[in-house]
Amino acid sequence: DGGITQSPKYLFRKEGQNVTLSCEQNLNHDAMYWYRQDPGQGLRLIYYSQIVNDFQKGDIAEGYSVSREKKESFPLTVTSAQKNPTAFYLCASSAVVVSNQPQHFGDGTRLSIL
Amino acid sequence: AQSVTQLGSHVSVSEGALVLLRCNYSSSVPPYLFWYVQYPNQGLQLLLKYTTGATLVKGINGFEAEFKKSETSFHLTKPSAHMSDAAEYFCAVRPEQTSGSRLTFGEGTQLTVNP
Repeated sequence: DGGITQSPKYLFRKEGQNVTLSCEQNLNHDAMYWYRQDPGQGLRLIYYSQIVNDFQKGDIAEGYSVSREKKESFPLTVTSAQKNPTAFYLCASSAVVVSNQPQHFGDGTRLSIL
Repeated sequence: AQSVTQLGSHVSVSEGALVLLRCNYSSSVPPYLFWYVQYPNQGLQLLLKYTTGATLVKGINGFEAEFKKSETSFHLTKPSAHMSDAAEYFCAVRPEQTSGSRLTFGEGTQLTVNP
């Protein structure tokens, strides 16, 4: 079955450490997204990419970085510059050409500070 | 710019009662509208979507929503709540004429179903 795989499910970060969250999709979607979810704040867009080797900042990109070297993969790095990284991170994808199509989500990665 | 407002961050109903979750949007052009459900520690699952055509949209798990342009609303309903409906629900919007596929989400409504 096609879908989106996020790993790991739980991740712990030490002070001053960068960590990378993995997101892989086999839906042949062009667009991929990273969201951050905090209690009571809904989903906030960090970065998104509509084509390989290109990506745009979302609403809260500071302290994060991404790459899009392959259509299937869109890893997110939480850098040491992100001072409050504890959150639930969701990856999504969609077929960008037809804008009435929904986004499909992975099961998330929960990041905590040690 | 578009935005989404979900009225009521928490809604509580009894099992078997009507579920009504409210969503209002603001958009300068006709929108596409979506409802998603999220169970604890999981991703979002699409319940239903409105793009064009019939304004009453039926989704999974017995949910439906009606697009009312005059009221800029897209409220989610279910005639009879089940315990398994307890989850968080998100409304999302994308203006029809935009290229790309970026969505704007509401802040979510946590639904509790009491036995």
